[in-house]
Parts: sequence; C-alpha cells; structure tokens
Amino acid sequence: KQEVTQIPAALSVPEGENLVLNCSFTDSAIYNLQWFRQDPGKGLTSLLLIQSSQREQTSGRLNASLDKSSGRSTLYIAASQPGDSATYLCAVRGSGTYKYIFGTGTRLKVLA
Amino acid sequence: DVKVTQSSRYLVKRTGEKVFLECVQDMDHENMFWYRQDPGLGLRLIYFSYDVKMKEKGDIPEGYSVSREKKERFSLILESASTNQTSMYLCASSFPYSGGAYEQYFGPGTRLTVT
Repeated sequence: KQEVTQIPAALSVPEGENLVLNCSFTDSAIYNLQWFRQDPGKGLTSLLLIQSSQREQTSGRLNASLDKSSGRSTLYIAASQPGDSATYLCAVRGSGTYKYIFGTGTRLKVLA
Repeated sequence: DVKVTQSSRYLVKRTGEKVFLECVQDMDHENMFWYRQDPGLGLRLIYFSYDVKMKEKGDIPEGYSVSREKKERFSLILESASTNQTSMYLCASSFPYSGGAYEQYFGPGTRLTVT
C-alpha cells in the first residue's frame, strides 16, 4: 500500500532563503506526482506536476524534482517571500489507478 | 482558467440530517473526487467518479454516497450526518493534458460542522 511522507511537518525561515521541501513515497510504481499549496481554510492550488518519465519541472521560483527509484521528490523554493507562507502538500498517483495518495504536508512560515 | 466550485463554504447541520454537498467543474473533466481533510490525517479519498453515473469507493466511503448524473456535477451525500463527519470537504477534478498526465484541480472546500 502506497504511503506518502513529508518531512519536516513545519518549517520557519527568514525571507530570502532558498529552501527544500521533501516528499517520500514507498511504492515507485507511480503515474505522476503533484505538488500543491494550501492557504489556511482554503482549497488546494496546483503548483507543479511531474510525470513518471520526467525528472523535474520548473515554474518561476519553484522547481520540483523526482527520483522514482529512491521514492523521493523535492520542491525547491528560491528566494522565499512571506507570501510563500502556506502548507505544501505532495500527492502521488499510482500506475493503473485514478487514486491519489496525499502526504500530510509541510507548514511553511517565511518571516519578513 | 479551470474552475471548480462547491455549493457552500460553511455548513452547520444537526446529527441525523441528510446533507448534500455539491461540486461543479466547468472544463469537461472526466474524473471527479471527494476528499475529507482532518488535522493530522491529511486528505483522505471518500469517493471518485471517472465518468457520468460511474463511481468507485475510496478509502473511507462508510456513511457517504455520491451521485454523478451530469459530467460537470458530482454530489456527496451524508445519509445521516454524525458528529464524526465534522470536517473540511474538498472536491477535485482532473483531466489529461499533453503527455497524458492527469492534473488535479480543487474547489475552495466546504467546512461542515455536525452538532
């Protein structure tokens, strides 16, 4: 059964720092992996999606990488800003299924 | 822009009431999902639908049912609401884009309180 883990659960950094959020999964037979951002009390906003055949995706200051063999993905945020403060979630879709399994998220606070 | 809307942002219901949560997407997506989100437990899949009138149970379907009569609309039904169904309910839809990846888009969520 696929399990998705995100460490750390919470992170506090000063503005301007580059940071890395981690996502680990136990079953490497995945179809894709998606990173989301969630603001308090709101829905999820899609940030990046990496297909199983890809190694990384970039959007602005965000870069997500995927290493299927080791069961890991990282989300790199460059030059963090207070507006980046949110909970970041990763979700894995397994091969041959419509279902996504979510991690419990990393709560990020960027201090001005 | 893809838009997924949910019928209510906040809802308060009494134990034993029948509760309907509605989700509508405007991009002709095939797949639609209902999740609940609880502190420490993350998002858990309740039901999903891959086509009109087609549905499959997720990880926690007990106490819930769903309806998908039209492609754009996916309803979650709590047959007899209980206090342990107090939660944030999130609807999502997905579609294949170039390369065949299915990206999920979420609605704003419904915070349901059962008293």
